[in-house]
Amino acid sequence: NAGVTQTPKFRVLKTGQSMTLLCAQDMNHEYMYWYRQDPGMGLRLIHYSVGEGTTAKGEVPDGYNVSRLKKQNFLLGLESAAPSQTSVYFCASSYKRSSYEQYFGPGTRLTVT
Amino acid sequence: AQSVAQPEDQVNVAEGNPLTVKCTYSVSGNPYLFWYVQYPNRGLQFLLKYITGDNLVKGSYGFEAEFNKSQTSFHLKKPSALVSDSALYFCAVRPYSSASKIIFGSGTRLSIRP
Repeated sequence: NAGVTQTPKFRVLKTGQSMTLLCAQDMNHEYMYWYRQDPGMGLRLIHYSVGEGTTAKGEVPDGYNVSRLKKQNFLLGLESAAPSQTSVYFCASSYKRSSYEQYFGPGTRLTVT
Repeated sequence: AQSVAQPEDQVNVAEGNPLTVKCTYSVSGNPYLFWYVQYPNRGLQFLLKYITGDNLVKGSYGFEAEFNKSQTSFHLKKPSALVSDSALYFCAVRPYSSASKIIFGSGTRLSIRP
């Protein structure tokens, strides 16, 4: 049981480049989330999904897109990276019945130069 | 709007002493409140929750939290701190408008000195 995994762990992008972050969970969770963590700002929700094929915007969705084609995977895309997107990105998942108890991945540290 | 505030960026405590990490909340209706912990270079881990019932809730690693409705607070406590408790702690609230997401506070760094 691997829990929540994220790839890659680290990435450096140049402004304007694109990339996709992959999140996978093996707990059969219905809900999945993408957050970004910045110093002094806690975690801010980017997008989330309450089921396969459905996604919704969170607090800071601009500049990001997501897809959930399979229940176990949740992809976060940056189409044209900007320095303001330098951050640590966390994926999380939860059961529908207890969405407050989220299980987090180890994070992806992204630097945009 | 639903929100939580953590007034202290950092809390320093000597090992063996009691610790308190403060959290205040602003919600509509009955609050659903939570604490998470983040160890260095790791994702967050769920510690404990308050949904209803006893004002003192117990969680993982010997932590507990006290819900105080009149003061709109949900402080995290531990009777005797360990060096291994050093980490970043987040208070969180579930918005009344959405059962599928939670809102995190800005975090408090807890440092336990030997």
